[in-house]
Amino acid sequence: EADIYQTPRYLVIGTGKKITLECSQTMGHDKMYWYQQDPGMELHLIHYSYGVNSTEKGDLSSESTVSRIRTEHFPLTLESARPSHTSQYLCASSPPNGTGELFFGEGSRLTVL
Amino acid sequence: KNQVEQSPQSLIILEGKNCTLQCNYTVSPFSNLRWYKQDTGRGPVSLTIMTFSENTKSNGRYTATLDADTKQSSLHITASQLSDSASYICVVGDRGSTLGRLYFGRGTQLTVWP
Repeated sequence: EADIYQTPRYLVIGTGKKITLECSQTMGHDKMYWYQQDPGMELHLIHYSYGVNSTEKGDLSSESTVSRIRTEHFPLTLESARPSHTSQYLCASSPPNGTGELFFGEGSRLTVL
Repeated sequence: KNQVEQSPQSLIILEGKNCTLQCNYTVSPFSNLRWYKQDTGRGPVSLTIMTFSENTKSNGRYTATLDADTKQSSLHITASQLSDSASYICVVGDRGSTLGRLYFGRGTQLTVWP
């Protein structure tokens, strides 16, 4: 089982609130990712990081921001949540060598009212 | 345009039966193909990863095949169990960049009935 953790698992907030989704992994992986997934749809990459102090935007434009101050920690922040941000957010990591297999967290289900 | 198409969109089978899920892709240049299992409300879990030179790979009751010439893959589930009920996602990686971009299918929703 992968050692990658996301909190909170579920979050319901009002429009305009600031939220941070936490993601931590204890496997020492250098690469970490944030994906967004809506029901019945494919995963879309919104942010990724190759290591400490390295962050890049993914394929899907997102108003969220990320930081990578420590190898094991990759939080995602929304400064002002809107109903359009309602979605499932999945964090993943992959080791530096090998096939680049992704290890996913359990996800954070965000609902913005 | 690089795409990954999965079929069927959903499938219902009885416990103990076998089933096969399909994945067609147009991703080029091809690097690898992965199958993930995603339980409802959970994160995806890797089942198999195949590179260009591999045409079959098994993981317990799951067997994936790859035909790189026709750009098709299948996932065969043998003797299905209730716990196999999940979404099965096909993911294709390219080797056109250092990142190794991944292209995700929308998944096949499998339901196993007792």
